[in-house]
Amino acid sequence: DVKVTQSSRYLVKRTGEKVFLECVQDMDHENMFWYRQDPGLGLRLIYFSYDVKMKEKGDIPEGYSVSREKKERFSLILESASTNQTSMYLCASSPVVAYNQPQHFGDGTRLSIL
Amino acid sequence: ILNVEQSPQSLHVQEGDSTNFTCSFPSSNFYALHWYRWETAKSPEALFVMTLNGDEKKKGRISATLNTKEGYSYLYIKGSQPEDSATYLCASNTNAGKSTFGDGTTLTVKP
Repeated sequence: DVKVTQSSRYLVKRTGEKVFLECVQDMDHENMFWYRQDPGLGLRLIYFSYDVKMKEKGDIPEGYSVSREKKERFSLILESASTNQTSMYLCASSPVVAYNQPQHFGDGTRLSIL
Repeated sequence: ILNVEQSPQSLHVQEGDSTNFTCSFPSSNFYALHWYRWETAKSPEALFVMTLNGDEKKKGRISATLNTKEGYSYLYIKGSQPEDSATYLCASNTNAGKSTFGDGTTLTVKP
C-alpha cells in the first residue's frame, strides 16, 4: 500500500523560528508537492519537485523554501516563521509526467506559529 | 474560467437524500480532472480521474461526469449516508501532473 508520511501531525513554533516540515514517500514517485490549506480555501501549491535536487515555485512560495536531496524525501522550510503561516500543510507525491495519475497525500501537519 | 471553481461551498442534507455538486475548470489545455474525498483527520483520497469528454465514472453510490468542451464536472451521491460527510475536492491537471485545486464542497449528511 502506498504511503506518504509527514513527520508531525501537530507542531507549535514561535515567530522568527526556522521550521522544518518533513515528508517521506515509499512509492518511488518522481513528483512531490507541498500545499497549504486554510479554512474556506482549497489546497494552494507552495512548491513542487520533479526530481532530486529539482524544485519549482508554486502559487504561494513567499516565505518558504524546499529541499529534495533524496528521491523519497521532500522538506518544506519556513525560513523565519510568521503568524500568517499558521495553517494545515499537506505533502503529496505522484508518478512522473502523469497527468492521469492521482496524487497521494500524507495526513497533514497542523502548524501553529505563536 | 481562469481557476478551478467548486459550488456550492457547503451542503447539508438528510440521510437518504441524493445530492450533486459542480466543478468548473478552464477548458483550454485540458488534460485530466481529478476528484478527491477528504474526511476530517484523514488524508485526501482519490475518487476518480477523468480525461475524456463524456466520461462517466462510478464507485458504489458515487458517480461523476465530465464535459471538457464547456469545462465542468458533476459529482453525484445517491442516497447519502453519514459516512459520506467529507470535503470533496476537484483538481485540474497539467500534462506534467501539476494540479490546480478548487476550494472544495463540504458535505454534511445528518442521520
